[in-house]
Amino acid sequence: ETGVTQSPTHLIKTRGQQVTLRCSSQSGHNTVSWYQQALGQGPQFIFQYYREEENGRGNFPPRFSGLQFPNYSSELNVNALELDDSALYLCASGTGPSMDSPLHFGNGTRLTVT
Amino acid sequence: RKEVEQDPGPFNVPEGATVAFNCTYSNSASQSFFWYRQDCRKEPKLLMSVYSSGNEDGRFTAQLNRASQYISLLIRDSKLSDSATYLCVVNSPLGFGNEKLTFGTGTRLTIIP
Repeated sequence: ETGVTQSPTHLIKTRGQQVTLRCSSQSGHNTVSWYQQALGQGPQFIFQYYREEENGRGNFPPRFSGLQFPNYSSELNVNALELDDSALYLCASGTGPSMDSPLHFGNGTRLTVT
Repeated sequence: RKEVEQDPGPFNVPEGATVAFNCTYSNSASQSFFWYRQDCRKEPKLLMSVYSSGNEDGRFTAQLNRASQYISLLIRDSKLSDSATYLCVVNSPLGFGNEKLTFGTGTRLTIIP
């Protein structure tokens, strides 16, 4: 059973709105990374946080931003939503800054932008 | 060219058969490699890491060829429970000591009774 929890599970937003997605890391994990998974595609790396600092970012525009809190939970914020932002958003937690440590994924938040 | 390329399938194979998946990556600086499994409407889960010497975990064997930038996964004696999407994943440097994981699009496998 995964220890990573995400909320909400489903969300519907309108183009131009802003959204905040939340992730609670597995106990003992200090790294969290976020991924966008469009239908029929593999997850795409958005960014990673290690001990509250961003330590890696993929090819996503600045309107995708994040935070990691002292308890290592995390938020993904997306501003000015576009239709193409509709996807499953996954967070994953791990130990240490290296992405070689096994990732534990949450069940994801399915975002629909209309 | 995509950073990580996989045959999307679908692969439909009878129970008990052997099936092989291939994956290529474009960044020669990539450092480590993995196979993840994702069941329908579920989160990805680590299946196994891939080492240069090749590694085996029960019915699963993973191989890495750094010269050809090629990764493979072999499943022997396939079971119905092996039906899933198999994701090839590559860890590449971003600079400044940072890294990123790049996932392939996944290969869908269905085991037929």
